[in-house]
Amino acid sequence: EIVLTQSPATLSLSPGERATLSCRASQSVSSYLAWYQQKPGQAPRLLIYDASNRATGIPARFSGSGSGTDFTLTISSLEPEDFAVYYCQQRSSWPPITFGQGTRLEIK
Amino acid sequence: EVQLLESGGGLVQPGASLRLSCAASGFTFSSYAMTWVRQAPGKGLEWVSAISTGGDDIYYADSVKGRFTISRDNSKNTLYLQMNTLRGEDTAVYFCAKVLRGWDMAFDYWGQGALVTVSS
Repeated sequence: EIVLTQSPATLSLSPGERATLSCRASQSVSSYLAWYQQKPGQAPRLLIYDASNRATGIPARFSGSGSGTDFTLTISSLEPEDFAVYYCQQRSSWPPITFGQGTRLEIK
Repeated sequence: EVQLLESGGGLVQPGASLRLSCAASGFTFSSYAMTWVRQAPGKGLEWVSAISTGGDDIYYADSVKGRFTISRDNSKNTLYLQMNTLRGEDTAVYFCAKVLRGWDMAFDYWGQGALVTVSS
């Protein structure tokens, strides 16, 4: 099973700042990594698939990069609605499909 | 507009059974693989099961294998999750989700979730 480790667990930033979230895989997942955003009481929303492709309707301030074992989700300039929990997910070697434990992005 | 609507959640005792349904609309249901993902209270996301377009290919997480059964009825645009021998650790919100394309297991649309509580 591929384990995904996200860091930091919590990130405190202010609107307008740049956010950098990390996801590290226990073995290579090539580019088969996705990122999701989840707000309280809501379902997750797909942001990025295959490491760097924005999903339909996702603003350009969200970008993904990386391959192999190290991946980054960057939010270039935080909007108030971006404060949420973010999960990475791999589909390289499954079953099982695995998710990271999440990074909570909170307002500073 | 793509919509996924789960139903069938509730409070059950350990050892009981429950069937979740996920009614799909706004896309050609029979053309997409589907999946179930769950989230225990205050915890992260856990993948549960996936099914191919025709139902021929099915996969489960080890934690539910032998107890849960995923199925679909393409004539009714509905996905199911039959859950047997439920345990306390199965308590979670269960989301159905549409697979982006083929077996490219990124999930581009999600339902609002159905809460399953297993408790005596």
